[in-house]
Amino acid sequence: EVQVVESGGGLIQPGGSLRISCAASGFTVSDNHMSWVRQAPGKGLECVSVIYNSGRPYYVDSVKGRFTISRDNSKNTVYLQMNSLRAEDTAVYYCARVRGADYHYAMDVWGQGTTVTVSS
Amino acid sequence: DIQMTQSPSSLSASVGDRVTITCRASQSIRNYLNWYQQKPGKAPKLLISGAANLQSGVPSRFSGSGSGTDFTLTISTLQPDDFATYHCQQSYSIPFFGPGTKVDIK
Repeated sequence: EVQVVESGGGLIQPGGSLRISCAASGFTVSDNHMSWVRQAPGKGLECVSVIYNSGRPYYVDSVKGRFTISRDNSKNTVYLQMNSLRAEDTAVYYCARVRGADYHYAMDVWGQGTTVTVSS
Repeated sequence: DIQMTQSPSSLSASVGDRVTITCRASQSIRNYLNWYQQKPGKAPKLLISGAANLQSGVPSRFSGSGSGTDFTLTISTLQPDDFATYHCQQSYSIPFFGPGTKVDIK
């Protein structure tokens, strides 16, 4: 079965760090583009980071310099290292596979999400 | 950055109604437009890619159309399972989602 499972969320104080993980099964992460999409309480969806199959990363401006996306091919897992966390980073973080050009780069496989709460 | 707007932001409808949601891009995105359905507490689900390509397993009452800057998602006959929030997303450049349209029961 093709799926992704996120883990690692939790309650963290402002200024703290957290690493969340996305373990994939049924496909190879390094052959695909992988994204992290977050949803703050009561808000819409925001793509915060993508790691392309080439390894090139993308970050939304609000997290540049604070978040780092990476992947471990041996574990078929994608990570999001989040540093200098702010209250506005509080959200459910979803991992999603991004299909290629033939599929118009749609996000077709989503995890259940992991909740990150930044609060003192 | 290419910005996305959706209208309406919410709507109330009855089972059996025909529902149309509009998504507009700030510049041409050709047909790089995807639609997702999201229910409370759940992850989004891909319904339509490339503006009009229905995903496998998605009921045929859902359809998408448009190109360039203006797109629509239509639910031909609203069913109880369709009450949800619908998000459009442009994939022409950096992925960017519209603000969402909540469809609730009238």
